[in-house]
Amino acid sequence: GQNIDQPTEMTATEGAIVQINCTYQTSGFNGLFWYQQHAGEAPTFLSYNVLDGLEEKGRFSSFLSRSKGYSYLLLKELQMKDSASYLCAHMDSNYQLIWGAGTKLIIKP
Amino acid sequence: IAGITQAPTSQILAAGRRMTLRCTQDMRHNAMYWYRQDLGLGLRLIHYSNTAGTTGKGEVPDGYSVSRANTDDFPLTLASAVPSQTSVYFCASSLGQSTSDEQFFGPGTRLTVL
Repeated sequence: GQNIDQPTEMTATEGAIVQINCTYQTSGFNGLFWYQQHAGEAPTFLSYNVLDGLEEKGRFSSFLSRSKGYSYLLLKELQMKDSASYLCAHMDSNYQLIWGAGTKLIIKP
Repeated sequence: IAGITQAPTSQILAAGRRMTLRCTQDMRHNAMYWYRQDLGLGLRLIHYSNTAGTTGKGEVPDGYSVSRANTDDFPLTLASAVPSQTSVYFCASSLGQSTSDEQFFGPGTRLTVL
């Protein structure tokens, strides 16, 4: 079967660094996506990884290990506006996205 | 229109009624999707369309139907609404079905079935 797990909620301090982990199990893999979703709004794309390693994009970086079925999203220099849910999703062999339940990130001053 | 829009924004519906959620995109994307999002669960795919004239079933298709008569529009119909269909519904689109094509989401429709 297919399964994808991420922590329900995390808390971090403004200006700090936080890492949000995501593990998945799948019979077919075509990439790992991270999306940001502010409360009451639509998800927006953050990153895509298909090969192992780290992809850096400004304050956000995403890492993938296909052999371990593991990814993380790293957020640096946290700002209050980063308070949101972060959704992990992998693309299966049918090119459909399988979504985690999301990690609610709370930023404190 | 800029991007992807959905209507209505929210709706309260009596059980047993028929309801169509509308979705329109102006990005000339080939692929479109309908998801529902429930508290504590990830987005779940209801139906999808890889190109105009074709549709497919997702993870939770029962009780829903879709059509794709043209590139821009992808309506979702609930033939006879039930309370378990209370959810937030998101329409999304992507350029194609390529692995790296990101999905763009509409603002969502909050549906309550009583």
